[in-house]
Amino acid sequence: QKEVEQNSGPLSVPEGAIASLNCTYSDRGSQSFFWYRQYSGKSPELIMFIYSNGDKEDGRFTAQLNKASQYVSLLIRDSQPSDSATYLCAVKGGKLIFGQGTELSVKP
Amino acid sequence: NAGVTQTPKFQVLKTGQSMTLQCAQDMNHNSMYWYRQDPGMGLRLIYYSASEGTTDKGEVPNGYNVSRLNKREFSLRLESAAPSQTSVYFCASSEFGTGWVQPQHFGDGTRLSIL
Repeated sequence: QKEVEQNSGPLSVPEGAIASLNCTYSDRGSQSFFWYRQYSGKSPELIMFIYSNGDKEDGRFTAQLNKASQYVSLLIRDSQPSDSATYLCAVKGGKLIFGQGTELSVKP
Repeated sequence: NAGVTQTPKFQVLKTGQSMTLQCAQDMNHNSMYWYRQDPGMGLRLIYYSASEGTTDKGEVPNGYNVSRLNKREFSLRLESAAPSQTSVYFCASSEFGTGWVQPQHFGDGTRLSIL
């Protein structure tokens, strides 16, 4: 079992819809959780982090954390074509581990 | 404010050649990291430096060496390049190495091909 798992996708959603990206992790001692966005050929950029159970909202983005289920998700409301990218989940326990990323495609 | 700067951006090497990838940050961060990114594999940590004067192995250190030259600079060396080291290499930095919340800032990457 991978330490951090994401569906590689591609996940395709129509413009204006909600995109839901999911991530599971194996280390129950993990403390901090990050979502990075990576456009094709570019470097990852941090868009959200969360460390408490529940939801954290920032504009169109909502991160959700459920430590009991070892599950973290990212919701993107009112998806735009400019949101088309690969989204990397990263989990910090003793070290920071990245998932393989989910490719999101938002169709106009 | 450049953030994290990597050089070179592209490089082609022959098997057995050596080279050093350079990384510098201007954010006064304590910690620096080297990752490689391969298709379908996500980012894998090669080496990191929690603070000036210290370096530690990450997930995939074999075939690489690093030097934390000063607080700003962290270099990655391939002593004898192999085709399996063809990848995109990212340098990153963060304010604290062992902080509870540890957002990392990435450079633009070095695309390395080894023939």
